[in-house]
Amino acid sequence: NAGVTQTPKFQVLKTGQSMTLQCAQDMNHNSMYWYRQDPGMGLRLIYYSASEGTTDKGEVPNGYNVSRLNKREFSLRLESAAPSQTSVYFCASSEVTGRYNSPLHFGNGTRLTVT
Amino acid sequence: DQQVKQNSPSLSVQEGRISILNCDYTNSMFDYFLWYKKYPAEGPTFLISISSIKDKNEDGRFTVFLNKSAKHLSLHIVPSQPGDSAVYFCAASDPGNQFYFGTGTSLTVIP
Repeated sequence: NAGVTQTPKFQVLKTGQSMTLQCAQDMNHNSMYWYRQDPGMGLRLIYYSASEGTTDKGEVPNGYNVSRLNKREFSLRLESAAPSQTSVYFCASSEVTGRYNSPLHFGNGTRLTVT
Repeated sequence: DQQVKQNSPSLSVQEGRISILNCDYTNSMFDYFLWYKKYPAEGPTFLISISSIKDKNEDGRFTVFLNKSAKHLSLHIVPSQPGDSAVYFCAASDPGNQFYFGTGTSLTVIP
């Protein structure tokens, strides 16, 4: 019962390099999210996908792209990494039950350092 | 601008006493509120939630109180245990089902 799985756990990039963070969930949830956590800033929403085939910008989308590959998988891409993107990235999923989404279920995060 | 605020970065409490964590929000459209607990090197885990039609929700040692007129919610942990030491995030959801998080409060329960 894996829940939300993120890969890789750690990554170091040089400025200008690109990479894709992978996320998969096995709970059959419709909605998936990408957050970043920075000291003193809490968790900030980068992008989310309310359902397969849809994606929307969150609070801090600049410098990122996403792909909802299928219902299970939601990837986050950094096309040209910058030091300001050094952060811990969390993927999450949830299900809509009536008006309210179920609580978010988070993966264990990807710690990214851009030098 | 932060729509969900946790003004206390840290809190220390003796084991067995009550821990009270506070959270304020600015957006009156928020109608679903949650608390998450986070240990180092792990993702946040859901603790307890409350919808805007209620003013209190209990789950074992954890109680969340919502004061809509003050746009304030709080989490009470009674009695506090050393295993409760973690960072606690308050979150709020709007009708668009986006979740907004506070900056977190680091709770230390002293044995």
